[in-house]
Amino acid sequence: GNSVTQMEGPVTLSEEAFLTINCTYTATGYPSLFWYVQYPGEGLQLLLKATKADDKGSNKGFEATYRKETTSFHLEKGSVQVSDSAVYFCALETSGSRLTFGEGTQLTVNP
Amino acid sequence: NAGVMQNPRHLVRRRGQEARLRCSPMKGHSHVYWYRQLPEEGLKFMVYLQKENIIDESGMPKERFSAEFPKEGPSILRIQQVVRGDSAAYFCASSPRTGGGETQYFGPGTRLLVL
Repeated sequence: GNSVTQMEGPVTLSEEAFLTINCTYTATGYPSLFWYVQYPGEGLQLLLKATKADDKGSNKGFEATYRKETTSFHLEKGSVQVSDSAVYFCALETSGSRLTFGEGTQLTVNP
Repeated sequence: NAGVMQNPRHLVRRRGQEARLRCSPMKGHSHVYWYRQLPEEGLKFMVYLQKENIIDESGMPKERFSAEFPKEGPSILRIQQVVRGDSAAYFCASSPRTGGGETQYFGPGTRLLVL
């Protein structure tokens, strides 16, 4: 079956630090990959996505590259801000449309 | 264009009562998905519906839970005879199409607390 494994949190960084949140997956077929972000008390918002191997998704300074050979989709940002503090979820979708999520990584950025 | 709307945002029920959670998808979206988020966990798929049809309910508990998406009105997730283990955040998402990396847009969730 499909599964997503995320780097364990919580992650605490200082403002302007470099961020990496690891995500690896197991899937049948060729999944589409997503990063969603959840702010406290809110629903999930799409951060970025990639639908085929070697695609790079990017948004708001965040990037992730779909690596088929390593079955990974690591999230990176060169310089985090306090406002980036949230929970980040890696997810995949294959045929059938359901999203399979990782457990989430809590990020706290201190000023 | 309003986003996905869910109500109520917070719901408190006593054990044995019924919970009804409503979801209005984004305008033009005919695909609705329900997910459950238990405390300190990720989201788990429950059910996928199109208008008047349940497409995939493989994530739904076999008993007490049901979902519908009628021709008119919101999608409803119904939990009968709630137990404390049902306490969770329930999120609805919608999309205009299905598959192929289509983005699902999430509502703010309904946080159910069972006393």
